Amino acid sequence: DIQMTQSPASLSASLGETVTIECRASEDIYNGLAWYQQKPGKSPQLLIYNANSLHTGVPSRFSGSGSGTQYSLKINSLQSEDVASYFCQQYYDYPFTFGSGTKLEIK
Amino acid sequence: QVRLKESGPRLVQPSQTLSVTCTVSGFSVTSYHVSWVRQPPGKGLEWVGAIWKGGSTDYNSALKSRLSISRDTSKNQVFLKMNSLQTDDTGTYYCAKHPRAGSYFDYWGQGVMVTVSS
Repeated sequence: DIQMTQSPASLSASLGETVTIECRASEDIYNGLAWYQQKPGKSPQLLIYNANSLHTGVPSRFSGSGSGTQYSLKINSLQSEDVASYFCQQYYDYPFTFGSGTKLEIK
Repeated sequence: QVRLKESGPRLVQPSQTLSVTCTVSGFSVTSYHVSWVRQPPGKGLEWVGAIWKGGSTDYNSALKSRLSISRDTSKNQVFLKMNSLQTDDTGTYYCAKHPRAGSYFDYWGQGVMVTVSS
C-alpha cells in the first residue's frame, strides 16, 4: 500500500496569514492526489484534485502543488471558516490511502 | 443536485454483521462509481471499498474477507455489509461518489456513526 505522510499534525495561525500543509507519498503517485476539508461533525469536502485543480465552488485562496512524492496545500488569507481538519488522499493505486490529517486552528 | 445519504444501525454487537445503505439522488449508480470510507472517532479516513458503475467491486485488502458491497439500481442504492465486527470497527461510515473510476471523491454523504459494543 502507498503510505501518505502528512505534516504538521496540527497548526495554529492568525487570520489573514498563509499556511501550508505537506503530504509525502511513499512512492511516485503521478499527481493522483486530492485534498479534503473536514469541519467538526461534518463529512469531508473536496478542495483540490489532480494535485492542483480547484474543485467547483472552492475559494481561490486554496491552492495545491507538487509532483512525484511531494505535495502541498496552501491556504492564503486565512479566514475563520477555514478552521477544520485537512486530509490528503492518493488515488494513483489501490487501496486509496489518506494522510493522517492536519488540524488547523486560529490563534 | 447530487446527494448521498447513509442509513443503518447505530449500535452493533461484536461478531455481528453491519449493514449500511447509501441512497443517492442527482445521479445514477449505473453512471458513476460509489465508494465506502470509514473514520474511527477522532482519527483519519480509511477507504473500505467501491462498486463501479458497471457493477464490479474493489475492496481494501485489509478488510476484503469481511466485506460485501452491492447495489439496487432500481432504487439507486448501494449497500455495505461487513461481518465479524469488532470494537475497532467503530466509527463513521461514509459513502462517496467518484467522478470517474479510480479517482478522488467529489461528493460525500453525511455519514452514519456505528458503535460496536455489547
